[in-house]
Amino acid sequence: SQTIHQWPATLVQPVGSPLSLECTVEGTSNPNLYWYRQAAGRGLQLLFYSVGIGQISSEVPQNLSASRPQDRQFILSSKKLLLSDSGFYLCAWSSQPGLASYEQYFGPGTRLTVT
Amino acid sequence: AQSVTQPDIHITVSEGASLELRCNYSYGATPYLFWYVQSPGQGLQLLLKYFSGDTLVQGIKGFEAEFKRSQSSFNLRKPSVHWSDAAEYFCAVGASGGYQKVTFGTGTKLQVIP
Repeated sequence: SQTIHQWPATLVQPVGSPLSLECTVEGTSNPNLYWYRQAAGRGLQLLFYSVGIGQISSEVPQNLSASRPQDRQFILSSKKLLLSDSGFYLCAWSSQPGLASYEQYFGPGTRLTVT
Repeated sequence: AQSVTQPDIHITVSEGASLELRCNYSYGATPYLFWYVQSPGQGLQLLLKYFSGDTLVQGIKGFEAEFKRSQSSFNLRKPSVHWSDAAEYFCAVGASGGYQKVTFGTGTKLQVIP
């Protein structure tokens, strides 16, 4: 069965510090991968998605970047954190198109607090 | 562009009572529809999905949802709520395409009282 991991679970970082959040998927190959941010009282905002290694698309301009160095690894980064980067970050995966399965499966999330 | 509206931000029901959470979507073609549940501090768990076929879909934990094309709705129901159902529920609509964009509603927080 498929499993998705995220770490760390919780992170407190000062403004201006760098960020690296990691997401890995097990039990599937060539998944689509997604990074979302969830702010309190709001829905999910799609930040980045990837359909393959090295292929990253950004949904919104921001202080963050993403990379996919391996098939089942997705990394969210920042060179200098802003207070507005605080939130709950969720990684998700889905099967490739044509496999009749469009649902996304989510990791446990990372709570980021920028102080 | 697709969109989802969950008109109820917060709902309170008594344990054992029935539940219906509303969801309205906007999409030009036949949508892919989902309901997810999120417990505090956790990721989202898929409850059920609709792609095609029977408009009444069954999901996990005793939930069901009905797709009504004429009303652009996909409401979630449960006949008898348990205290463990207290959580936030998200409706989502998906579009076919290269990366399967899914748009989420803003969520409905369910409180269950004894």
